Amino acid sequence: QQQVKQSPQSLIVQKGGISIINCAYENTAFDYFPWYQQFPGKGPALLIAIRPDVSEKKEGRFTISFNKSAKQFSLHIMDSQPGDSATYFCAASKNGANNLFFGTGTRLTVIP
Amino acid sequence: GEEVAQTPKHLVRGEGQKAKLYCAPIKGHSYVFWYQQVLKNEFKFLISFQNENVFDETGMPKERFSAKCLPNSPCSLEIQATKLEDSAVYFCASSQGDTQYFGPGTRLTVL
Repeated sequence: QQQVKQSPQSLIVQKGGISIINCAYENTAFDYFPWYQQFPGKGPALLIAIRPDVSEKKEGRFTISFNKSAKQFSLHIMDSQPGDSATYFCAASKNGANNLFFGTGTRLTVIP
Repeated sequence: GEEVAQTPKHLVRGEGQKAKLYCAPIKGHSYVFWYQQVLKNEFKFLISFQNENVFDETGMPKERFSAKCLPNSPCSLEIQATKLEDSAVYFCASSQGDTQYFGPGTRLTVL
């Protein structure tokens, strides 16, 4: 049973465009929602994370939007660059001490 | 150290052989997690430790998998009698709070 559902599976965006990746969860006990970026052959690296007490968090070109009532959250990458081409994973956990439940990943390609 | 270190980078085993993977968490982090990433990108949680104690082992296939985190030693994940389906990248992560920091992974190939 997939606890965190992620879409789309792949995404192609023009340089300078906005990349949007969506995730949904069922378990209302989740209270920490990170996004990870993974390049081929590397481990996932934390990009940005949010807790459900806020509806939006922005760090540079990356923004998480969070909708607690809909149990959905999304990652927006503004002014997408070719260097952003990677696989992005959303995740959720019950608190920092507990394991992450990952989405299935979105392969982002930013074309020049 | 400031990064999670994992060794070896690659490991090739024949079916039925033993495989042992190592992880050095970031100094000062109390929690260590092991995840398995299979070819379809799916991450599966295996086990976590709080210091040297098992915190959560709900994801471990206990018949063949075991793990340890002993004081002053790298953490280890051992697979006895590997099977073809164990082929995956195994990631270790450590944390002291919310953020889990991942190592570069060990790619296990079972032939």
